[in-house]
Amino acid sequence: AQSVTQLDSQVPVFEEAPVELRCNYSSSVSVYLFWYVQYPNQGLQLLLKYLSGSTLVKGINGFEAEFNKSQTSFHLRKPSVHISDTAEYFCAVSDRGSTLGRLYFGRGTQLTVWP
Amino acid sequence: ETGVTQSPTHLIKTRGQQVTLRCSSQSGHNTVSWYQQALGQGPQFIFQYYREEENGRGNFPPRFSGLQFPNYSSELNVNALELDDSALYLCASSLSLAGLNEQFFGPGTRLTVL
Repeated sequence: AQSVTQLDSQVPVFEEAPVELRCNYSSSVSVYLFWYVQYPNQGLQLLLKYLSGSTLVKGINGFEAEFNKSQTSFHLRKPSVHISDTAEYFCAVSDRGSTLGRLYFGRGTQLTVWP
Repeated sequence: ETGVTQSPTHLIKTRGQQVTLRCSSQSGHNTVSWYQQALGQGPQFIFQYYREEENGRGNFPPRFSGLQFPNYSSELNVNALELDDSALYLCASSLSLAGLNEQFFGPGTRLTVL
């Protein structure tokens, strides 16, 4: 079974500061890794994904994440945040090689950017 | 290109009632997945439909059922509603089954059970 742990439920940060949102996963099989963002009263939007290759992946809105297989982590980073980055962020995994494509989500991290 | 749409936006029901939620997938997508997002939680997988057949199911009771139509739109039906069914229901479509394919999410239907 797969499980995803997002270590911080809330992360407050000032505008233009760097931020890291942490994600660890547990799985008996190899996985694909995803970060989604959810703005208030909206659905989920894909920020970035790791499928294979370089462990550092870049996504939309200046976000990047690094896959660390030994630590089973996939932390999300941004060097300088904006007010508009305030949202809920979800880390997710899916089974590599599965035909189901089911996503397993963490509980989310609320990022609040203050002026 | 039209994205994933869901209807209705909000819904209020009472315990024991039945509800149907609807989803139109993104153009060209033949796979639809449904997720339940309770308040303060991450989305939980309910089931997935591929070419009108249920392809897989999460840990939800049989009173949660679904359909997919020839145009790949989908319905989620919930019978005998319980208070714990109050949640945001998200529909996601993708090009095919494989886990590497991006799932495109709709805005969700907020269901409140009183």
